Amino acid sequence: DQQVKQNSPSLSVQEGRISILNCDYTNSMFDYFLWYKKYPAEGPTFLISISSIKDKNEDGRFTVFLNKSAKHLSLHIVPSQPGDSAVYFCAGRGSQGNLIFGKGTKLSVKP
Amino acid sequence: KAGVTQTPRYLIKTRGQQVTLSCSPISGHRSVSWYQQTPGQGLQFLFEYFSETQRNKGNFPGRFSGRQFSNSRSEMNVSTLELGDSALYLCASSLLLWTDTQYFGPGTRLTVL
Repeated sequence: DQQVKQNSPSLSVQEGRISILNCDYTNSMFDYFLWYKKYPAEGPTFLISISSIKDKNEDGRFTVFLNKSAKHLSLHIVPSQPGDSAVYFCAGRGSQGNLIFGKGTKLSVKP
Repeated sequence: KAGVTQTPRYLIKTRGQQVTLSCSPISGHRSVSWYQQTPGQGLQFLFEYFSETQRNKGNFPGRFSGRQFSNSRSEMNVSTLELGDSALYLCASSLLLWTDTQYFGPGTRLTVL
């Protein structure tokens, strides 16, 4: 069973506009959620995280929102830039401390 | 500070062989986790080591094993390789076992023929 789901395999956005990447989860025991960005031929790079006791965390152009009742989190990128084009993974931290990842969403930001 | 390094970066093996992958964590980091990334399954957790002990294990067969040395460097071994083991193997290090942030290396691309 997939505990973390990213239902959109791809997303295309115009430069300067907002990118919204979505993630749903089923495991209510997750205590932390993280977003990673991955370029081809590189390992994932940590982007931003949020504790399960919060509903929003912001870092520059990146904001993560958590809706615990809906078991949903989203990553907002404003404004989007061509360099943001990458695969974005959301992950939940399980009770053992390991990360459980979604399958990723490929973001394309067009100039 | 140097990042997580993985060697080798690329590897080609044939079915039935075994392979050992190496990971050097960020200096001072004591926890090392291994993940397998395939196009169909995404990133899947293999195991985590802390202080030379396996602390957590994912749902992979016993052909996949690992170890951690006293300097926190880690190795992962896959025996009796199968075609389905072709994947990108990623290592991630973190400061402590329960830390929220794991830092990933570039990965080792394993191709099994």
